Parts: sequence; C-alpha cells; structure tokens
Amino acid sequence: EDKVVQSPLSLVVHEGDTVTLNCSYEVTNFRSLLWYKQEKKAPTFLFMLTSSGIEKKSGRLSSILDKKELFSILNITATQTGDSAVYLCAVEAGYALNFGKGTSLLVTP
Amino acid sequence: EAQVTQNPRYLITVTGKKLTVTCSQNMNHEYMSWYRQDPGLGLRQIYYSMNVEVTDKGDVPEGYKVSRKEKRNFPLILESPSPNQTSLYFCASSFWQDGYGYTFGSGTRLTVV
Repeated sequence: EDKVVQSPLSLVVHEGDTVTLNCSYEVTNFRSLLWYKQEKKAPTFLFMLTSSGIEKKSGRLSSILDKKELFSILNITATQTGDSAVYLCAVEAGYALNFGKGTSLLVTP
Repeated sequence: EAQVTQNPRYLITVTGKKLTVTCSQNMNHEYMSWYRQDPGLGLRQIYYSMNVEVTDKGDVPEGYKVSRKEKRNFPLILESPSPNQTSLYFCASSFWQDGYGYTFGSGTRLTVV
C-alpha cells in the first residue's frame, strides 16, 4: 500500500523563524513529489520535484528531494504570519496521487 | 482565466437522494481527479481519469461514480448518499506530462443528513 507520511503534524513558531517540514514516502511507480499550501480553501501549488538533489526555490521557500532515502523537505526561511497554513505533501505513483495528512503551521507575531 | 470550476460550493442533502457535483476545466488537461478531505485523514483520491472515457478507482471509490464523456468535464455522482459521505470534495486537473502540478477547484462542502 502506498504511503506518504508528513512530520511534524503541527508546528507553532515566531515570525522570523526558519522551519523545516518533512515528507517521507513508500510508493510503487514513483513519478514525482509535490508540495501544496492550503489556507482554508483549495490547495495551491508550490513545487514539483522529480530528481534527487536539485533544490527548487521560490522566494523564502525551498524544497529538495532524496529518492534514495525516500523523503523530501520543505524549508521556509524568515517566516511571516501569512505563511500560516497547512502544507501538504503528495506523491504521484503511477496514475494516482497520494497525499500525506499535512503539517499545520502557525506563525505568531 | 485558467481554472477548475466546481459546483455547487455548498450542498446539504438527505440520505438516499441522488446528487451530482460538477467539475469543469478550461485548460485542455487530459488528467482529472476527485478527492475528499476529512479531518485527521487528509486528502484521499476517489476516482481519476486519464482522458475521455478512461477512468479508474482511487483509494476510496465506494459509493461514488464518475464519467468522462468530454475532456473538460468530470462529474462526481453519488447515487445514494449516506452521512459518511459528508466531506469537503475537491476536483483537480493537470497535463499528465508537465511539471506544473495539479490545479484544484474551490471545493464542495457536502453535508448528508
């Protein structure tokens, strides 16, 4: 059975802190790993990772994939209150998309 | 504007009364899929479609039907809804081979009483 596990489930930090969110997976027919941000509405796309070791960056967010150890991390530097959301990791396995349960991030002023 | 449109946004219905949640995309995407999101369980895939007339079950297909008669539309049908199908539903679409991930609809909050 395909499995995607995110940690931690919940995180509270102060504005300006750096956070690292984790996603490990066990799937057959891996195609890609995706990160989404969800703020009480539809998930919005952050990154799609297919190759090991290549960091993707967008502003203060970055992500990297390790296909040997089967995990990915999402880093957020200099956090802001607007980063408060649930961050979802999803893995494309064959034609299916498997989600983790998400990490709930709260950034306090 | 490129988007995935779901209707309705909110629906309260009674047990056993057939309903359809519509999903339409204007991006010419081949791949479309349905998910339900429940507290503590995350997003789980119900059905997906690789193209017109090609559909397959996801992780939680029981109690649901889908059809893909046109590329842009992928309706989710609940023939006899039950209270355990109360959930937040999302439709999503993508080009199968691109690197831009999936575009999600705004969601449909369904309550079955």
